[in-house]
Amino acid sequence: DSGVTQTPKHLITATGQRVTLRCSPRSGDLSVYWYQQSLDQGLQFLIQYYNGEERAKGNILERFSAQQFPDLHSELNLSSLELGDSALYFCASSVQGANEKLFFGSGTQLSVL
Amino acid sequence: GESVGLHLPTLSVQEGDNSIINCAYSNSASDYFIWYKQESGKGPQFIIDIRSNMDKRQGQRVTVLLNKTVKHLSLQIAATQPGDSAVYFCAETGSNYQLIWGAGTKLIIKP
Repeated sequence: DSGVTQTPKHLITATGQRVTLRCSPRSGDLSVYWYQQSLDQGLQFLIQYYNGEERAKGNILERFSAQQFPDLHSELNLSSLELGDSALYFCASSVQGANEKLFFGSGTQLSVL
Repeated sequence: GESVGLHLPTLSVQEGDNSIINCAYSNSASDYFIWYKQESGKGPQFIIDIRSNMDKRQGQRVTVLLNKTVKHLSLQIAATQPGDSAVYFCAETGSNYQLIWGAGTKLIIKP
């Protein structure tokens, strides 16, 4: 158990809908990262937050947004969903947010039908 | 641009043998490298890391080697077991300190 909690584990929705994925980082970690992993693909970095502020942005679509709250949990919002958004979405956390190992949650499997 | 790549997408190893997974990187300024293991349906799990001031680092049954001259990183797993079956990812820190991930190598253990 990495200490990173993601909910829900599975999510099935329809095209055009909006969903919210939730992540609680390890106790003491200030930074949260979101990754997307399509079937049998690598990890695509979406966005990183550190202590409530956006620190880095990767290949995140404009239809997607995220935030980190004062209690350090984070949410990833995906809107106007398309079939191609079906993927595993991972949250990871780290202590300081740079040059260090990340601890990953077990992911949210999103299926857009 | 910066990139991290893997030489072999799939590696088959006999149970009990040693496994070597290779990774090439392009950013000579990277100072932190890391290996993750991802089992089917699970999140990536940290295996071992190494900083650029080292050439070798050992963990439990795993060793990471860093050759900065040829920008090559490898993960050695001793006495490979069925539980080692997974996809292995290497990553390096890029110019903005974000991890740049390789495509992954699938390790298959033959009984």
